[in-house]
Amino acid sequence: GQNIDQPTEMTATEGAIVQINCTYQTSGFNGLFWYQQHAGEAPTFLSYNVLDGLEEKGRFSSFLSRSKGYSYLLLKELQMKDSASYLCAVREYRDDKIIFGKGTRLHILP
Amino acid sequence: DSGVTQTPKHLITATGQRVTLRCSPRSGDLSVYWYQQSLDQGLQFLIQYYNGEERAKGNILERFSAQQFPDLHSELNLSSLELGDSALYFCASSASGVNGYTFGSGTRLTVV
Repeated sequence: GQNIDQPTEMTATEGAIVQINCTYQTSGFNGLFWYQQHAGEAPTFLSYNVLDGLEEKGRFSSFLSRSKGYSYLLLKELQMKDSASYLCAVREYRDDKIIFGKGTRLHILP
Repeated sequence: DSGVTQTPKHLITATGQRVTLRCSPRSGDLSVYWYQQSLDQGLQFLIQYYNGEERAKGNILERFSAQQFPDLHSELNLSSLELGDSALYFCASSASGVNGYTFGSGTRLTVV
């Protein structure tokens, strides 16, 4: 089975940098995803890591350490529109399904 | 528009009733996934279909069932509805899975 942990809530200031951590346990790791979800809306894909290291995409970066079962999402130059939930999700090797963590609700203060 | 279409967007029904939620995947995507998201809960994986066949099952209740048709659209059937079934139900589709899933806008089910 899988277990995914991430903080429930975080608060940061507009223009700042925030790091959202995610730890996971899985019997057969085959990739880690980060999604953004605004309240009442569909999750939207942010990033995908399958190998160790940092993937950068504009203001967002995601890091993976498979040996530690650890990932983080780094958001730079925070904007008010970044206020949302950020979901860490892991895919298992044996099938294609992706299991989501409960998400981290990020509040951005002006 | 993500390309994944879910209908209806909202549904209000009474306890004990049965409803059907519909999902059309993005053109070319063979896999369809159903998720339930209750208030303050994460996305709970229900079931996956690939090209018409069930491929993986999550914590789906026996009162719930799904299928994927030859044209690849999928339906999620929820029966003997209870108040606790009130939630957002998302459908997602994928091609190879490398870029994760693309989600539909969801169906908000309210059981009264």
